[in-house]
Amino acid sequence: DAMVIQNPRYQVTQFGKPVTLSCSQTLNHNVMYWYQQKSSQAPKLLFHYYDKDFNNEADTPDNFQSRRPNTSFCFLDIRSPGLGDAAMYLCATSEMGGLGYEQYFGPGTRLTVT
Amino acid sequence: GDSVTQMEGPVTLSEEAFLTINCTYTATGYPSLFWYVQYPGEGLQLLLKATKADDKGSNKGFEATYRKETTSFHLEKGSVQVSDSAVYFCALGANTGNQFYFGTGTSLTVIP
Repeated sequence: DAMVIQNPRYQVTQFGKPVTLSCSQTLNHNVMYWYQQKSSQAPKLLFHYYDKDFNNEADTPDNFQSRRPNTSFCFLDIRSPGLGDAAMYLCATSEMGGLGYEQYFGPGTRLTVT
Repeated sequence: GDSVTQMEGPVTLSEEAFLTINCTYTATGYPSLFWYVQYPGEGLQLLLKATKADDKGSNKGFEATYRKETTSFHLEKGSVQVSDSAVYFCALGANTGNQFYFGTGTSLTVIP
């Protein structure tokens, strides 16, 4: 089955220690998204790629970076995690942005910062 | 700007009760509307969608109708089950750019 895969499902890192979360997709979608979701809240978009075109949300902290080396993979790098960065991180894809194109979500990576 | 307003929870229902979760939207143009469901510890799954006015999305006994005149997309199910316990998100896909707007989510607990 075509899908969105996130690894690892659970990640523990230390305060200030860089961490990378990964996402891969077999859907061949050209748009990939990273969301941050804190407990009992809606997902908050951090950034997205339309093919190789990177789009950063205005309020995404500089501490968060992303890489998309090819269509299938996208990475979220947190350069110096703080306690406030503990959250579920969701990767999503869509065939195209906008009208009618739903987003397909991975299972998420739950990040704990100690 | 575009936005989604969703009924606040939590909602607790007995099994076989009727469910309504309200969702209204503000948008320029003609957005697509979605309901996503999130089970504990998991990502979001698309439950149903509608891409134009008067469309009805349906799946697993859930329904929602895209009503332009009331700018609403309320989620309904005639008889909920314990397995429907989850958080439900209404979302709007803008027809310009690659933007999705989520509601705040409504937590549903169904008790036997």
